[in-house]
Amino acid sequence: DAGVTQSPTHLIKTRGQHVTLRCSPISGHKSVSWYQQVLGQGPQFIFQYYEKEERGRGNFPDRFSARQFPNYSSELNVNALLLGDSALYLCASSLAPEGAYEQYFGPGTRLTVT
Amino acid sequence: AQKITQTQPGMFVQEKEAVTLDCTYDTSDPSYGLFWYKQPSSGEMIFLIYQGSYDQQNATEGRYSLNFQKARKSANLVISASQLGDSAMYFCAMRVLDTGRRALTFGSGTRLQVQP
Repeated sequence: DAGVTQSPTHLIKTRGQHVTLRCSPISGHKSVSWYQQVLGQGPQFIFQYYEKEERGRGNFPDRFSARQFPNYSSELNVNALLLGDSALYLCASSLAPEGAYEQYFGPGTRLTVT
Repeated sequence: AQKITQTQPGMFVQEKEAVTLDCTYDTSDPSYGLFWYKQPSSGEMIFLIYQGSYDQQNATEGRYSLNFQKARKSANLVISASQLGDSAMYFCAMRVLDTGRRALTFGSGTRLQVQP
């Protein structure tokens, strides 16, 4: 079975631009979470979606938004990019948002803002 | 709020030897889960092992075992018989298991290098 897939793998953007990152969860998984991992740090939680509804939001500005589609895939949007948004963006899927279900991560999208 | 502390930025181990990666956590919630992930240079986070706060026995998965000491709030990862392919970043993470708080909280990671 295919794992979590993310696109694109790498992206270079200029300050002020907008970016859309995409994620497809493991088949059967209905929950998708997004994390930002700045170089040298652990991932930081951005959003979690389940059944197309936002179930959790981390401490990120309103420039960050996301949505989940009927097929459970998800998009993360970042507006007005800043240099500090340069990071690896990880998507994770799980069967459900609660409980002891482990989250399976995709390979990430590496965003560079110049 | 939850917090994960990994105090070892880097560790070296000889091939075929065992290594312990330290993790301490802080939470006031009684029901939580502890996770260990491996992150190779490719960037993908690979799930290794899980321990629930109410589990009576330490979790094991192949060469990975979790030394869970609840009173000390520690959840150390033990890798037995290290292999060259084990060289990677290792992250300890936790999640409170009740409703409303579903995000994983990660530590800063430990870079493990296995030497031949």
